[in-house]
Amino acid sequence: GQSLEQPSEVTAVEGAIVQINCTYQTSGFYGLSWYQQHDGGAPTFLSYNALDGLEETGRFSSFLSRSDSYGYLLLQELQMKDSASYFCAGDSGNTPLVFGKGTRLSVIA
Amino acid sequence: SAVISQKPSRDICQRGTSLTIQCQVDSQVTMMFWYRQQPGQSLTLIATANQGSEATYESGFVIDKFPISRPNLTFSTLTVSNMSPEDSSIYLCSPRGGPRNEQFFGPGTRLTVL
Repeated sequence: GQSLEQPSEVTAVEGAIVQINCTYQTSGFYGLSWYQQHDGGAPTFLSYNALDGLEETGRFSSFLSRSDSYGYLLLQELQMKDSASYFCAGDSGNTPLVFGKGTRLSVIA
Repeated sequence: SAVISQKPSRDICQRGTSLTIQCQVDSQVTMMFWYRQQPGQSLTLIATANQGSEATYESGFVIDKFPISRPNLTFSTLTVSNMSPEDSSIYLCSPRGGPRNEQFFGPGTRLTVL
């Protein structure tokens, strides 16, 4: 099975950079995904790392280190609209994603 | 990304009744998953519904309570049977596919059982 750990809450200032960490324990790990979910909304796909290293998509970047069973989501130039819950999720190929418990990010002025 | 719709978007139901949730995807996807999300919680997998095979259920979820249909590669239904207040939750379908085998989510069905 899989389990993923991430901080429950993070607070950061508008315009700053914030990193949300995710550690995982899994058998047959294949890749790590990140999702954003605003209150009342559905999870929205942000990124997917199957290989070690950094993937950049605009203000968001995601990193994976298989040897450390660790990944993170990096949000730059934070905006108020980035306040949301962020979930890391692991998969083992063609299996459903298993989600962490989510990190609630609050962006303050 | 795929366009996914769910019906109904929300419903308030009486204890003991059943509700069928429909999920429509605008492209063919092999893998379809159903999740449940309690307020303020993470997503919990209910079952995997791949076309052409019986749905497989996660621990704590059974077919009699959550029957699933997957008649083709663009459509699936989840029924919540004999509902109780504990079934109040958001139910989301989640197809998986595309060039990077990404997993997406429908907008969700917010169910309240009285």
